[in-house]
Amino acid sequence: EADIYQTPRYLVIGTGKKITLECSQTMGHDKMYWYQQDPGMELHLIHYSYGVNSTEKGDLSSESTVSRIRTEHFPLTLESARPSHTSQYLCASSEWGGNTEAFFGQGTRLTVV
Amino acid sequence: GENVEQHPSTLSVQEGDSAVIKCTYSDSASNYFPWYKQELGKGPQLIIDIRSNVGEKKDQRIAVTLNKTAKHFSLHITETQPEDSAVYFCAASMRGLTGGGNKLTFGTGTQLKVEL
Repeated sequence: EADIYQTPRYLVIGTGKKITLECSQTMGHDKMYWYQQDPGMELHLIHYSYGVNSTEKGDLSSESTVSRIRTEHFPLTLESARPSHTSQYLCASSEWGGNTEAFFGQGTRLTVV
Repeated sequence: GENVEQHPSTLSVQEGDSAVIKCTYSDSASNYFPWYKQELGKGPQLIIDIRSNVGEKKDQRIAVTLNKTAKHFSLHITETQPEDSAVYFCAASMRGLTGGGNKLTFGTGTQLKVEL
């Protein structure tokens, strides 16, 4: 069982609200990622981090922002939510070094009304 | 950047039959090819992976083959069971220049349904 946690699991929020999706891992992993998953299943990398104070944009442009102040914590923030932000957001982490397994959280399903 | 194509998008098999999912990748520098299984309401979980110095790897009912020349790799599930029903993703990545970074590029997913 992976020790990576996302909260909340489900969130319904009104347009224009600011939201933060939480992601924490207890494995001491340096690398962390945020993926957006379409209803059609595709996984798109939107942010990643290689360690504290490191953040990079992923392959899919996103209006969200991330921060990495602590190794174990990688929150994602939307300053002003819109219906187009409705999606499933998955957080993942992996060890430093060559190609290694990515451990995923259970995801946050966000609905913006 | 890397591009990974996955087929089929849906696959329905009878219990006990075999299932095969195929992926192709574009970047010849990719050297790591994991497969993830995502059950309903959960995040993807690694089920098997293969590195570019190996042509085939097997773990009980699951096997993966890699053809570096053709840039394609496949997942084989034998003796399928209802609990194999899930979405399966292939992925590819390469070792980053710094040695620490590798970003996974995922395929589009295959919904596997094992029918009784």
